[in-house]
Amino acid sequence: QVQVRQWGAGLLRPSETLSLTCAVYGGSFSGYHWTWIRQPPGQGLEWIGEINHNGITSYSPSLKSRVTVSVDTSKNQFSLKLTSVTAADTAVYYCTRGPYTDWPLAGHWGQGTLVTVSS
Amino acid sequence: EIVLTQSPATLSLSPGERATLSCRASQTITNNYLAWYQQKPGQAPRFLIYGASSRATGIPDRFSGSGSGTDFTLTITRLEPEDFAVYYCQWYGWPPRTFGQGTKVEVK
Repeated sequence: QVQVRQWGAGLLRPSETLSLTCAVYGGSFSGYHWTWIRQPPGQGLEWIGEINHNGITSYSPSLKSRVTVSVDTSKNQFSLKLTSVTAADTAVYYCTRGPYTDWPLAGHWGQGTLVTVSS
Repeated sequence: EIVLTQSPATLSLSPGERATLSCRASQTITNNYLAWYQQKPGQAPRFLIYGASSRATGIPDRFSGSGSGTDFTLTITRLEPEDFAVYYCQWYGWPPRTFGQGTKVEVK
């Protein structure tokens, strides 16, 4: 059974950098789309960015200047960095893996990490 | 960027009833690159439908998707107690792979 697990700091001060990482257990890492999605409290889902099986990244236009997604192939891990956070970045952040090789869908989801930005 | 508008915002139904959820796109969805997800309170979303009408692995056949062009529908033929949740549609043809704002299916 495929499981995505994620980890990272849950409380940040304004202007700090958000950093989250995830990995897959019971399934493959390579060959799949990996995506970060977030959900502000009480609100809907927002697509942040992705990396495909060729290592090509894409980002939300509204976050592009502050976000970086990357993979560490030696550790089979996928990461998110979001710089200069503000209260508006407070949300549950989800790491997802595609359901099938090279499909840009959120087939398997991490447990979510609540990131709170507060002074 | 494709904008997806879901309606209604809330659907109040009883178990056993049929649910019909709508997702309308701001421009034509190429190759039916439209997916649906279900989210229950306190949980991560669950992948339901891709290609507008194909069920993901393990999804019961009471869930069905349809539509083309700019108008898409998720139908739940007979609501089970576990189906009361929020449902999101997503465009996934190319980035940004935007989501609709969601439809909540609640118990009447």
